[in-house]
Amino acid sequence: EAQVTQNPRYLITVTGKKLTVTCSQNMNHEYMSWYRQDPGLGLRQIYYSMNVEVTDKGDVPEGYKVSRKEKRNFPLILESPSPNQTSLYFCASSRPTKSYSYNEQFFGPGTRLTVL
Amino acid sequence: DAKTTQPPSMDCAEGRAANLPCNHSTISGNEYVYWYRQIHSQGPQYIIHGLKNNETNEMASLIITEDRKSSTLILPHATLRDTAVYYCIVREGDSSYKLIFGSGTRLLVRP
Repeated sequence: EAQVTQNPRYLITVTGKKLTVTCSQNMNHEYMSWYRQDPGLGLRQIYYSMNVEVTDKGDVPEGYKVSRKEKRNFPLILESPSPNQTSLYFCASSRPTKSYSYNEQFFGPGTRLTVL
Repeated sequence: DAKTTQPPSMDCAEGRAANLPCNHSTISGNEYVYWYRQIHSQGPQYIIHGLKNNETNEMASLIITEDRKSSTLILPHATLRDTAVYYCIVREGDSSYKLIFGSGTRLLVRP
């Protein structure tokens, strides 16, 4: 089954304790992206990646890191989490087309993170 | 800044058509308009996208005005399961893949 998976689905942690949220897709997609969603703010893009070793900042990259060493994986790293990073996080993937548009993005089920 | 403007909420009766508007007055010539929806706190789900022409698939129809400054998503026969937040999105720029989600429209389908 074509899908995007995220782990963990729920996480409660404390300020300053490094954490990684994993994202994996089995569709051989080049494009992957991370979003956070907060009440009243919709979805905001954190980082995205066009392909292996190619990443770029989205709208709210501060406090986050990403890496893209393999095509299927795009982990989100919080080196020193803070309470304002408490949010619902979504990973997504897509295959870009030649015309700079791209087809549908497939979203993961979400990771609900609480930083105390 | 968001590149799209949508009404914050709408409602319609079950079985009737739901017409969700979106303004994107600064869209450039080769930017596509995408529609996604999010049911409760699930991952957003792709609905449809278009450039100039009207588009239709098994979920919905997309009507884009001739000047491309606005569009309307049509759910022809809304069901209770269509209750969700609907996002109209344009892709930013000619060489960037950055997405900007608007605040979305919360659609409530009434029994």
